[in-house]
Amino acid sequence: SQELEQSPQSLIVQEGKNLTINCTSSKTLYGLYWYKQKYGEGLIFLMMLQKGGEEKSHEKITAKLDEKKQQSSLHITASQPSHAGIYLCGADKMWGAQKLVFGQGTRLTINP
Amino acid sequence: DGGITQSPKYLFRKEGQNVTLSCEQNLNHDAMYWYRQDPGQGLRLIYYSQIVNDFQKGDIAEGYSVSREKKESFPLTVTSAQKNPTAFYLCASSLRGDYGYTFGSGTRLTVV
Repeated sequence: SQELEQSPQSLIVQEGKNLTINCTSSKTLYGLYWYKQKYGEGLIFLMMLQKGGEEKSHEKITAKLDEKKQQSSLHITASQPSHAGIYLCGADKMWGAQKLVFGQGTRLTINP
Repeated sequence: DGGITQSPKYLFRKEGQNVTLSCEQNLNHDAMYWYRQDPGQGLRLIYYSQIVNDFQKGDIAEGYSVSREKKESFPLTVTSAQKNPTAFYLCASSLRGDYGYTFGSGTRLTVV
């Protein structure tokens, strides 16, 4: 069974619209990472969250981790074609494990 | 520039053959990882190594082998025992105590 569940699995939005991707775990997360991947390429680090209630932003992307540290969301404001790709969340299974598990990814398409 | 290099980018294997994927990093990172990515399944951990001359099995180690003779290098061998090796393979590294992961650009392996 998937340890991290991402939703939706696929998302098509009109350019300029806002969108949200979710990442959910049944267990407490010790370090939650968001990555972006272009098809056939490696993963690009976006943000890392560790504390319950933490929120980070970079340009038009905002990531949040809930107080229980079991759910994270990635929000993109005023989407652009450059935002298209696969977004993956990853998390440490236990404190200090340094062994990330990943969600199945969300494929984002931006229509002009 | 520091980074992590995977080679080759594309690899074709005949059934029954062993093939080795290269992963080299000049980031002075202690830990290195191999992940496999299949469509719709996110990334799954094959093997990881936190120090030289030591490595541990991940979630799907069967049919794979690794070595860590140098800090900079963590090659992955896909053996003939791996029944479904066609996939995208990603190598990553991290500095112990720092939970950021840097990924290579990947190797796409196809069985012909």
